Amino acid sequence: ELKVEQNPLFLSMQEGKNYTIYCNYSTTSDRLYWYRQDPGKSLESLFVLLSNGAVKQEGRLMASLDTKARLSTLHITAAVHDLSATYFCAVGESYNTDKLIFGTGTRLQVFP
Amino acid sequence: DVKVTQSSRYLVKRTGEKVFLECVQDMDHENMFWYRQDPGLGLRLIYFSYDVKMKEKGDIPEGYSVSREKKERFSLILESASTNQTSMYLCASSPAGRERDTQYFGPGTRLTVL
Repeated sequence: ELKVEQNPLFLSMQEGKNYTIYCNYSTTSDRLYWYRQDPGKSLESLFVLLSNGAVKQEGRLMASLDTKARLSTLHITAAVHDLSATYFCAVGESYNTDKLIFGTGTRLQVFP
Repeated sequence: DVKVTQSSRYLVKRTGEKVFLECVQDMDHENMFWYRQDPGLGLRLIYFSYDVKMKEKGDIPEGYSVSREKKERFSLILESASTNQTSMYLCASSPAGRERDTQYFGPGTRLTVL
C-alpha cells in the first residue's frame, strides 16, 4: 500500500530565508504532483513531475523528483509572505490507475 | 480555462438526512474524484469514476455512494448523514490514461451535520 509522508507538517519561516519541504513515498511510482491550498480555498496545481531527475521551477518555488530515493522536494527561495499556504504532494498510486495518494500537507507561514 | 464547479460552498444538514453533493466539469475529462479533507489527515479519496456509470471505491467509501450518469457530472450521496461526516468535500477531475495530467479541483463544499 502506497504511503506518502510530508515533513515538516508545519513551517514558520522568516521572509528572505530558504527552506525545503520533503515528500517521501513508500512504493514505486511514475508521477508526483505538488499543490497549493490557501486558507478556505481549494487546491491549485503547482508542478507535475513525471520522470526521475525532473526539476520544475516557478518563481521562488522549485520542485524536484528522485524516483530511486522515492523523494520529492519543494524548495522555497527567499520566502515572501504571499507564499504562506498549505502545500500538498500527491503520488500516483500505480501505473495502471489515475488515482493519487496525498500527503498530509505542510502548512507554511512566512513572517516579516 | 479549466473549470470544476460544486453545487454548494456551505451546507448544513441534520443527522439522518440524505445529502447530495454535485460536481460538474467542463473539460471533457474521463476521471472524476470525490475527496474529503480533514485537519491533519490531508485528502482522502472517497470514490472515483473513470467513465460514465463506472465507479470505484476509494479509501473511505463507507456511508457514501456516487452517481455518474453523464460525463460532466459526478454526484456524491450521503445516504443518512452523520456528525462524523462533517468535513470539507472536494471534487476533482482529470484526463484519463497516459497524459498523466494533474487533477483539477473544485472550490469545495463545507458540510456541517448537526
